[in-house]
Amino acid sequence: GAGVSQSPSNKVTEKGKDVELRCDPISGHTALYWYRQRLGQGLEFLIYFQGNSAPDKSGLPSDRFSAERTGESVSTLTIQRTQQEDSAVYLCAGQDFTNTDTQYFGPGTRLTVL
Amino acid sequence: GESVGLHLPTLSVQEGDNSIINCAYSNSASDYFIWYKQESGKGPQFIIDIRSNMDKRQGQRVTVLLNKTVKHLSLQIAATQPGDSAVYFCAETYGGSQGNLIFGKGTKLSVKP
Repeated sequence: GAGVSQSPSNKVTEKGKDVELRCDPISGHTALYWYRQRLGQGLEFLIYFQGNSAPDKSGLPSDRFSAERTGESVSTLTIQRTQQEDSAVYLCAGQDFTNTDTQYFGPGTRLTVL
Repeated sequence: GESVGLHLPTLSVQEGDNSIINCAYSNSASDYFIWYKQESGKGPQFIIDIRSNMDKRQGQRVTVLLNKTVKHLSLQIAATQPGDSAVYFCAETYGGSQGNLIFGKGTKLSVKP
């Protein structure tokens, strides 16, 4: 596709349930980032994938959060046993270091934990 | 810890006027800075970037200024239009282009017709 896509666009879940968020980056973007954005706040780094290197997980807030990426394509962010404080917009961004330093963001998934 | 912050949380300007959005950063090792625009309900959109070996860079209607002496970054928007209304974030990275961006909280720009 022409841009980064994320699904679902909105997710409402009950506290304690697991959720899985998906990101499809632009083809050829070797780097992929996940961010969390709480209402009215800036972007909080979660995790970074670069090619076949071990991901940088330093931003994950707890062991309930995990992410995977298959090669240089789709990534999934999984939140287990969701809590109300997990409610936020989750954004992913891709980057192609060979051409630009710019990160291209998807539209985000709005997660609401009841 | 190191942080990127913004001086003003909100900015209201008249259509046609120039807008200036400011950002302070604290990590002198930061070498790459980006401004993003985020419209309501959308992901951030790249506007313009600048490396630490420059002090000014111009785009279409936008200019970014970098003052490394006082660790200050600004975004200037010329002839502000209603479509410029959004939240603007500055971001820095201190790991080179492959480092992780650290974002400020954002400044909301409102353009009055």
